[in-house]
Amino acid sequence: KQEVTQIPAALSVPEGENLVLNCSFTDSAIYNLQWFRQDPGKGLTSLLLIQSSQREQTSGRLNASLDKSSGRSTLYIAASQPGDSATYLCAVPGRDDKIIFGKGTRLHILP
Amino acid sequence: EPEVTQTPSHQVTQMGQEVILRCVPISNHLYFYWYRQILGQKVEFLVSFYNNEISEKSEIFDDQFSVERPDGSNFTLKIRSTKLEDSAMYFCASRGNRAFFGQGTRLTVV
Repeated sequence: KQEVTQIPAALSVPEGENLVLNCSFTDSAIYNLQWFRQDPGKGLTSLLLIQSSQREQTSGRLNASLDKSSGRSTLYIAASQPGDSATYLCAVPGRDDKIIFGKGTRLHILP
Repeated sequence: EPEVTQTPSHQVTQMGQEVILRCVPISNHLYFYWYRQILGQKVEFLVSFYNNEISEKSEIFDDQFSVERPDGSNFTLKIRSTKLEDSAMYFCASRGNRAFFGQGTRLTVV
């Protein structure tokens, strides 16, 4: 059974710092991995999708990496801004086709 | 970018009433999902739908819940006899080569 773990559960950093969010998954037989952003009380916004054949994807100040063999992904945020404050969720497809989410990392960027 | 649309954005209902949450998935997608997120908790899988039938459902998705694709575009989640603990954000998703989620319906049962 696929399980997704995200560390840390919460993180506060001063504005301008670079930071890394971690995601691990127990079943490496995935065909992609997605990172989502969720603002309080709001929906899920897809940030990056990494296919299993890729090692990383970049979008602006965001860079996501994927190491299938070790069951890990990281989301790197460069030059953090207060507007980056949100919960970041990692999600992978399960063998049975459903999408499985981690509990997320609550990020707070201090102005 | 394509969008999954959910209506209403917020629904308040009395305990015991039935609610229908509506979703318009992305038109050329074949897989559809409902998820829920109780306040402060994880996003939980409820049900997946493929080829006009349920492909998988979680233990949460009991007889109180049903899904339907009444026409070629809408995908609905019906919750019968709502309970206080059904209060949550409900997300619809559709998938082609990647999953797209709607903005959610916040259901409040009072």
